[in-house]
Amino acid sequence: GENVEQHPSTLSVQEGDSAVIKCTYSDSASNYFPWYKQELGKRPQLIIDIRSNVGEKKDQRIAVTLNKTAKHFSLHITETQPEDSAVYFCAAIYSGGYQKVTFGTGTKLQVIP
Amino acid sequence: DVKVTQSSRYLVKRTGEKVFLECVQDMDHENMFWYRQDPGLGLRLIYFSYDVKMKEKGDIPEGYSVSREKKERFSLILESASTNQTSMYLCATKGHRLYEQYFGPGTRLTVT
Repeated sequence: GENVEQHPSTLSVQEGDSAVIKCTYSDSASNYFPWYKQELGKRPQLIIDIRSNVGEKKDQRIAVTLNKTAKHFSLHITETQPEDSAVYFCAAIYSGGYQKVTFGTGTKLQVIP
Repeated sequence: DVKVTQSSRYLVKRTGEKVFLECVQDMDHENMFWYRQDPGLGLRLIYFSYDVKMKEKGDIPEGYSVSREKKERFSLILESASTNQTSMYLCATKGHRLYEQYFGPGTRLTVT
């Protein structure tokens, strides 16, 4: 089955700096890669996603890149703000079959004011 | 707005008890999932269901079972609770197309 590895497990950055979180996946059939943000005490919520036919996607200060050959994808947050502090999860999904979702282990991002 | 609710936010049970966690969604989604969330281990899939009465094991199904008699309701059952099942349990739903998952608020279960 699919295995998703996520690094780093914790990340501290100064406000205004950039943050990068990386994930690798094992199943080349996976074709959809969402990122979820979970603030303290709240439920995970989707912040951005990318499909396998796209190399990069941006949404304001957030971007995601995908390298299908290397089977890795990354989340980039620029100009970080304190409200970006949260746990971020990557995931991989194969859209055929049962659409099982496999998550990474999460990255706790702390943005220091 | 998708609404996903879980029967309890906090639950304390004794070892050996049978425990039911219930998840209800109002968006007519085909797919429903149960995860447990533990520090450093992320979201681990216990079971998922892609249709009424249909279920598939996730990555850590041991000690759990599920029931989906109606489309909007997906129950997680701990047949005989053990202390290592103390965790945060999250339910999620997803439409059959490639849509995002919507999570419930979570149930923090403590087994003593």
